[in-house]
Amino acid sequence: QVQLQESGPGLVKPSETLSLTCTVSGGSISSYYWSWIRQSPGKGLEWIGRISYSGNTNYGPSLKSRVTISVDTSKNQFFLKVRSVTAADTAVYYCARSQYSTPPFGLGQFWGQGTLVIVSS
Amino acid sequence: DIQMTQSPSSLSASVGDRVTITCQASQDITNNLNWYQQTPGKAPKLLIYDALHLETGVPSRFSGSRSGTHFTFTINSLQPEDFATYYCQQYDNLPYSFGQGTKLEIK
Repeated sequence: QVQLQESGPGLVKPSETLSLTCTVSGGSISSYYWSWIRQSPGKGLEWIGRISYSGNTNYGPSLKSRVTISVDTSKNQFFLKVRSVTAADTAVYYCARSQYSTPPFGLGQFWGQGTLVIVSS
Repeated sequence: DIQMTQSPSSLSASVGDRVTITCQASQDITNNLNWYQQTPGKAPKLLIYDALHLETGVPSRFSGSRSGTHFTFTINSLQPEDFATYYCQQYDNLPYSFGQGTKLEIK
């Protein structure tokens, strides 16, 4: 059974870079797309972006100018960086695997448990 | 970008009731829609995929349907563990987008 686990600092200062890692176990990172999603406190879900095992990326419009998603297939990990964070970036960040290994890929049943990142000085 | 308009935003119901949640897509997304359940402090759990299909292990009281760009999620005979927040999500076009959520509360 595929499992995903987010890790990274729970507190980031304003204007700094938020960096998170998602470690995939129970399966290879190959052949699927891997997404980051966030949820601000008490709010809904926002898709941040995704990366394929080969490094092809797509980003959502709200964070596109500040976000980089990367992958390390040798470690079965993918990463999220959000630059120049503000309090509005405080959220639970989830990583997830696509439903399918072919288009439309989608989002499926495999999500990490989420990690809360607070932006505060 | 595709907008998903979900309603209602909240709903009160009793154990044993039948409830319906709807999502309207701003354009055709064929059947590329999921329904998720989220309880406090947990990641969303996939219940329905491809608009109609029950995820493995999900009770049959949950169901989904589609009419054009209008999607419906139904829970028959509510159980205590069903009180949660539900989201629709389209994956037909990038960027993926979610409905605003429906919080289902005990009456």
